[in-house]
Amino acid sequence: DIQLTQSPSSLSASAGDRITITCRASQTINNYLNWYQQKPERAPKLLIYAASSLQSGVPSRFSGSGSGTDFILTISTLQPEDFATYYCQQSYSDPWTFGQGTKVEIK
Amino acid sequence: EVQLVQSGAEVKKAGESLKMSCKGSGYSFSSYWIGWVRQMPGKGLEWMGIIYPGDSDTRYSPSFQGQVAISADKSITTAYLQWSSLKASDTAMYYCARSPATGSYHFDYWGQGTLVTVSS
Repeated sequence: DIQLTQSPSSLSASAGDRITITCRASQTINNYLNWYQQKPERAPKLLIYAASSLQSGVPSRFSGSGSGTDFILTISTLQPEDFATYYCQQSYSDPWTFGQGTKVEIK
Repeated sequence: EVQLVQSGAEVKKAGESLKMSCKGSGYSFSSYWIGWVRQMPGKGLEWMGIIYPGDSDTRYSPSFQGQVAISADKSITTAYLQWSSLKASDTAMYYCARSPATGSYHFDYWGQGTLVTVSS
């Protein structure tokens, strides 16, 4: 299985901050990397697919970059509704593994 | 409007069987993968497996192979996740989600989740 390691596991930030979350794959996955947001008691929501494509309806403050083994999710100006847990996922090969998650908390 | 509607919460005893459902609507059900994702209490997301209803091609995570069965009935646009003998460790929220079948694979629509509680 391909392992995905997210860093940091958690971070504290203020509304208006720019934050980045990193996802590293244990082997190359080209650009088969997706990002999801999950709020408590809610189903995950797709933000970014294919490393850098913004899902329809997702605000442009979210962006993704990277290829190969190293990927980044950036939130340019953190909004109150962005406090949540974020997961990366690879779909390069079965099983489509998830990272362990990054919890973004209010400072 | 694309929707995935999952069956309701279940409370079971260890050793019992369970079959949960995920009904798709608003799109061509046979032309998208349906995957299942487990989330244990307070934990992260785990990919369990996926099925293509068009031809019933099914893939499992090694962690779940032999523990669960994934199926689909395209005539009623419904996918299923089932257990023959539940364990207390199966207590979790289970989500179904849809993925395009070509190009980039990603879960673009999700069900609301089915909570399973298994007592020993």
